[in-house]
Amino acid sequence: QVQLQESGPGLVKPSETLSLTCTVSGGSISTYYWSWIRQPPGKGLEWIGYIYYSGSTNYNPSLKSRVTISVDTSKNQFSLKLSSLTAADTAIYYCARVPAYCTTTTCYYGMDVWGQGTTVTVSS
Amino acid sequence: QSALTQPASVSGSPGQSITISCTGTSSDVGGYNYVSWYQQHPGKAPKLMIHDVSERPSGVSNRFSGSKSGNTASLTISKVQAEDEADYYCSSYTSISTWVFGGGTKLTVL
Repeated sequence: QVQLQESGPGLVKPSETLSLTCTVSGGSISTYYWSWIRQPPGKGLEWIGYIYYSGSTNYNPSLKSRVTISVDTSKNQFSLKLSSLTAADTAIYYCARVPAYCTTTTCYYGMDVWGQGTTVTVSS
Repeated sequence: QSALTQPASVSGSPGQSITISCTGTSSDVGGYNYVSWYQQHPGKAPKLMIHDVSERPSGVSNRFSGSKSGNTASLTISKVQAEDEADYYCSSYTSISTWVFGGGTKLTVL
């Protein structure tokens, strides 16, 4: 079955840019949508953005000016870049798959496969 | 976009039924049948429990069910069990082709 694994630095400095990668195994990235979601300590989930395997993207309006999501189909990976970091960006970052399609009988618009999450701390 | 509104906490005794509400607007919950629900145990990644308002993924207990009326979606857990104690989040697709989550509800099994 499809599995997702996030990777990247656990500690980044304020004002710097965070770079995270999500590796997809057990299936091809060349279908579906792929999302990033984060969860600050003790708080709820926040959707960051998604990318379609073709490269089209959409972002949370509150983060749009600082976020870039890209895909590398040759490596079966997609990535997140978040710039101008502050302590408020400290969170667990998750990647997830979003089928986002309908058959004749059922639609599949939920985040059905998640990575285990990676903890990112923004601190000097 | 504003977060969907969920109660901060709900509780129930084993064997009872509980319902968690998720209120949005006509630009998200009310406008699309793309509401999903996630269960998150402490220290774990969220797990999809319901998609497209009322569809259960394979492997999810039929004690979990979803519905929607207007701008409010609901998750009902029948015959609550100790293992159901967790945080629950709703999510909806929006009119600007984004996703939005609710603030989360902590379910306590008494």
